[in-house]
Amino acid sequence: DTGVSQDPRHKITKRGQNVTFRCDPISEHNRLYWYRQTLGQGPEFLTYFQNEAQLEKSRLLSDRFSAERPKGSFSTLEIQRTEQGDSAMYLCASSLARDRGAEAFFGQGTRLTVV
Amino acid sequence: AQKVTQAQTEISVVEKEDVTLDCVYETRDTTYYLFWYKQPPSGELVFLIRRNSFDEQNEISGRYSWNFQKSTSSFNFTITASQVVDSAVYFCALSDSFSGGYNKLIFGAGTRLAVHP
Repeated sequence: DTGVSQDPRHKITKRGQNVTFRCDPISEHNRLYWYRQTLGQGPEFLTYFQNEAQLEKSRLLSDRFSAERPKGSFSTLEIQRTEQGDSAMYLCASSLARDRGAEAFFGQGTRLTVV
Repeated sequence: AQKVTQAQTEISVVEKEDVTLDCVYETRDTTYYLFWYKQPPSGELVFLIRRNSFDEQNEISGRYSWNFQKSTSSFNFTITASQVVDSAVYFCALSDSFSGGYNKLIFGAGTRLAVHP
């Protein structure tokens, strides 16, 4: 399967704990995106990478959030000192930047529940 | 500012009915891209179609069709002869130069479609 892969699919954590999610994009895609989706809403942009460079971060991405994409391959999203408001679906997507407006392909997401 | 509005929160139809999902967008840009994605219960967003602002030709793909009208800033999606497998949440999205230089998608809130046998 050559789609976008996310791990884990589900994560339940206690408030205050740190969590880390992983995303493996489609192999030839140089752009990688993180979105957050809360219940009943559309996904909201968090950040994106072109190769290993993180080029934009949303104001939604507080100091407790950090994302990396070492070597321009897989990416990780870490949330430190989780809060109940962090409970959401975290979606990863990738695209090939051959032209602007290229469609993004999404993974199945990681559903985070903070208790 | 960019905005995507999907006024229909939920639609319920009986199998074989036609159904149209509405999408209205706002952008200051003259060059932009519009998308439709489907999110089945499994959670993965599935890409359906992309349109750029210079291509107003409507498109039909099997049971799906899209109606893009710049004059009304609408990009509506119709499923003909709906099937139970079409049940999902459908999202309309916009990308323009103000979206980080076309590098992020602005999504609507989605329309949940339930197709009953």
